[in-house]
Amino acid sequence: DAGVTQSPTHLIKTRGQQVTLRCSPKSGHDTVSWYQQALGQGPQFIFQYYEEEERQRGNFPDRFSGHQFPNYSSELNVNALLLGDSALYLCASSGRGGNTDTQYFGPGTRLTVL
Amino acid sequence: LAKTTQPISMDSYEGQEVNITCSHNNIATNDYITWYQQFPSQGPRFIIQGYKTKVTNEVASLFIPADRKSSTLSLPRVSLSDTAVYYCLVPMLSSGSARQLTFGSGTQLTVLP
Repeated sequence: DAGVTQSPTHLIKTRGQQVTLRCSPKSGHDTVSWYQQALGQGPQFIFQYYEEEERQRGNFPDRFSGHQFPNYSSELNVNALLLGDSALYLCASSGRGGNTDTQYFGPGTRLTVL
Repeated sequence: LAKTTQPISMDSYEGQEVNITCSHNNIATNDYITWYQQFPSQGPRFIIQGYKTKVTNEVASLFIPADRKSSTLSLPRVSLSDTAVYYCLVPMLSSGSARQLTFGSGTQLTVLP
């Protein structure tokens, strides 16, 4: 049973560029959440997708957008990259949005903005 | 402002019990508290989850008081491989009745031989 997978593992971009990160949820899960984790800090919630719609959103600008596909996989898009966007981007999946659902995390994508 | 607070770091010796507390001032009413372990450059790994009172599994216990404004992760008989950062994840009330998943600041646990 595959867990949460993310691609790519590492990525280097320059300021102003756009990036797309991908996530496949754990088998049987239909909810995907994205987090940004800067070096030495805790993960910060970006948004959550369920039934192909954004259900919750953290305090991130509109440069951060996402998408969920019918197979429950998800993409995170970041436009107009800033140096401060350099971080580990984590994807987590969970079941059908109940209050007891446990989030399971992928290994993350390390994004470096130069 | 919804906020969670944890000690920045803790040191322990092998075989001791370690307790890490997370304070959360505005937790959503009907949601669970979850604790994760994270090693460098890896995603957080689930440890334990609870709603109130005490929960125990094969690796840890979780204590949650009646007011649910804090939670304490207890790791019995730690080993060197338990050296990691430990986070609480708490659904917090933000503007209006919206919930926002909020990680604690993280506690670096160092287990010494």
